[in-house]
Amino acid sequence: GQNIDQPTEMTATEGAIVQINCTYQTSGFNGLFWYQQHAGEAPTFLSYNVLDGLEEKGRFSSFLSRSKGYSYLLLKELQMKDSASYLCALKGRNFNKFYFGSGTKLNVKP
Amino acid sequence: ETGVTQTPRHLVMGMTNKKSLKCEQHLGHNAMYWYKQSAKKPLELMFVYSLEERVENNSVPSRFSPECPNSSHLFLHLHTLQPEDSALYLCASSTRTGENEQFFGPGTRLTVL
Repeated sequence: GQNIDQPTEMTATEGAIVQINCTYQTSGFNGLFWYQQHAGEAPTFLSYNVLDGLEEKGRFSSFLSRSKGYSYLLLKELQMKDSASYLCALKGRNFNKFYFGSGTKLNVKP
Repeated sequence: ETGVTQTPRHLVMGMTNKKSLKCEQHLGHNAMYWYKQSAKKPLELMFVYSLEERVENNSVPSRFSPECPNSSHLFLHLHTLQPEDSALYLCASSTRTGENEQFFGPGTRLTVL
């Protein structure tokens, strides 16, 4: 197993910055994904890290440190529509196998 | 719209019923997946098909039976389910090598009475 751990729930204020952490224990993986899932909807892709470091895509950034077994998703200039669950997922050595965390429910308040 | 559709969106069935979930992708992908999503639990990978061949079966009970007739369609046949099987069933697709992200369908909300 990959033992992926994320906080269950977080609350932040509109316009602020929030960091959602993901820690994992695994014998090896080929990449780390972040997905957003609004209630009752399908998960949608946000970002992907293969190498250590920061990947930036507009208001969203994701960071990976393989040596520390750690990733985070950074959301800037929070908007109400960012209220959703954020899923961390590892792509296993078998390219077709993905392992998901339980997700972090983010509540954005005015 | 992600390019992956699922029908039905909602399904209520008794434990003795037989039903099927359908997934269709319009993205030209050749790997398809079934996931189970229960409240406050991680997405559980159930089955993976690559080029219409099942490559992963994560110890799923035999009351769930997948079928992949071609690279665009995936089915999940259900029979004699249990109430604990009630969950959101998500279909996803990707390129065969999985180098890129998965695209998910909207899911089927299944309730077993």
